[in-house]
Amino acid sequence: EPEVTQTPSHQVTQMGQEVILRCVPISNHLYFYWYRQILGQKVEFLVSFYNNEISEKSEIFDDQFSVERPDGSNFTLKIRSTKLEDSAMYFCASSAGGLNTEAFFGQGTRLTVV
Amino acid sequence: QKEVEQDPGPLSVPEGAIVSLNCTYSNSAFQYFMWYRQYSRKGPELLMYTYSSGNKEDGRFTAQVDKSSKYISLFIRDSQPSDSATYLCAMNGYGKLTFGQGTILTVHP
Repeated sequence: EPEVTQTPSHQVTQMGQEVILRCVPISNHLYFYWYRQILGQKVEFLVSFYNNEISEKSEIFDDQFSVERPDGSNFTLKIRSTKLEDSAMYFCASSAGGLNTEAFFGQGTRLTVV
Repeated sequence: QKEVEQDPGPLSVPEGAIVSLNCTYSNSAFQYFMWYRQYSRKGPELLMYTYSSGNKEDGRFTAQVDKSSKYISLFIRDSQPSDSATYLCAMNGYGKLTFGQGTILTVHP
């Protein structure tokens, strides 16, 4: 069964460092998303991406964050200068269509900023 | 008022029980409703996906949507210890998902 794959599963980084979280969405999907979940809190939307551009972003997704689809298979989330409060599980998701199709999630990358 | 409200529980039931999980929402723009299951430190796994009011059944799971009351439910019949997880409701109205807090469910043998 097709699945969304995320790497690494766990990333530890020092405050102020840049991190790149990687995702391989399901191959025929066109819409890509990043969500995050701080421990014990809700899953929160960060950004959606379609046709090589951001279609929507939340207030969390400030200038420290960027997304890219560098090739036909990968989808990345970059945090330029990590802060302690960026520590969370980051989930990539993809869907075949937009509003009216199911979104499938990866297993997540646990980011720990120290 | 929060956009999506879900009782976090925890909910503990004996094996074989019928489980009822619920969410309420305030935003009439939500059109698509999903239930995800999440095991500890794992990604959300899609269980059910529904559109509009009514029921949808898949094996032991039934999803129910009442748009007039802004209320959705997930029923699990003949619950099993393997159903122990956090259940997240999620709603889609703008191309992004808005999640509930999640209900922690434990099914004990």
